[in-house]
Amino acid sequence: QVQLVQSGADVKKPGASVKVSCKASGYTFSDHYLYWVRQAPGQGLESMGMIKPTTGSTAYSQKFQGRLTLTRDTSTNTLYMDLSSLTSDDTAVYYCVRNTFSGFDFWGQGTLVTVSS
Amino acid sequence: QSALTQPRSVSGSPGQSVTISCTGTSSDVGGYNLVSWYQQHPGKGPRLIIYDVTEGPSGVPDRFSGSKSGNTASLTISGLQAEDEADYYCSSYAGRDIYVFGTGTEVTVL
Repeated sequence: QVQLVQSGADVKKPGASVKVSCKASGYTFSDHYLYWVRQAPGQGLESMGMIKPTTGSTAYSQKFQGRLTLTRDTSTNTLYMDLSSLTSDDTAVYYCVRNTFSGFDFWGQGTLVTVSS
Repeated sequence: QSALTQPRSVSGSPGQSVTISCTGTSSDVGGYNLVSWYQQHPGKGPRLIIYDVTEGPSGVPDRFSGSKSGNTASLTISGLQAEDEADYYCSSYAGRDIYVFGTGTEVTVL
């Protein structure tokens, strides 16, 4: 069965960077684009960007340009999301999500990132 | 890349129907038949319930249906049940591998 298993919760200080991992299994890794979506406490869903597993090429939402880096390791079918210059506004649950072009069909369990001094 | 606009909340009694709107622009909702809907219960992750505007994944009750007219998509829940009480989000492709989500709607079963 398809699984996206993310790394555990993290606490960072303002100005720091955070790296969240997501290991995919149960399907052919190269067959689907993967996205990162975040949700601040009590707020809605926000798409951050995507990575193509085959080539590693990326597309980022304007809001995160310059501060978001998405990478992947095809030897372990693992994705990485690196977000820098953190502020309290970045406190959120971060999800890795499989995309079928028609929609987002499988979601990781989510990783809570808390930014606090 | 602005969020799609949804009503903050809708409510209905068991057995009734409710409809949630999702308004975007010609660059997203109106430009592609790639609108999807997600259900999210408190403390849980989102679940895909509609894709390609009208299609339902296997395992999703057929009381959930989708439609689109111009720049506005809609989700209708027919025969409302207690377990349908949740937050609902729309999403649309916006070109260049970018997707945008709606602001979210809280559905309350009275």
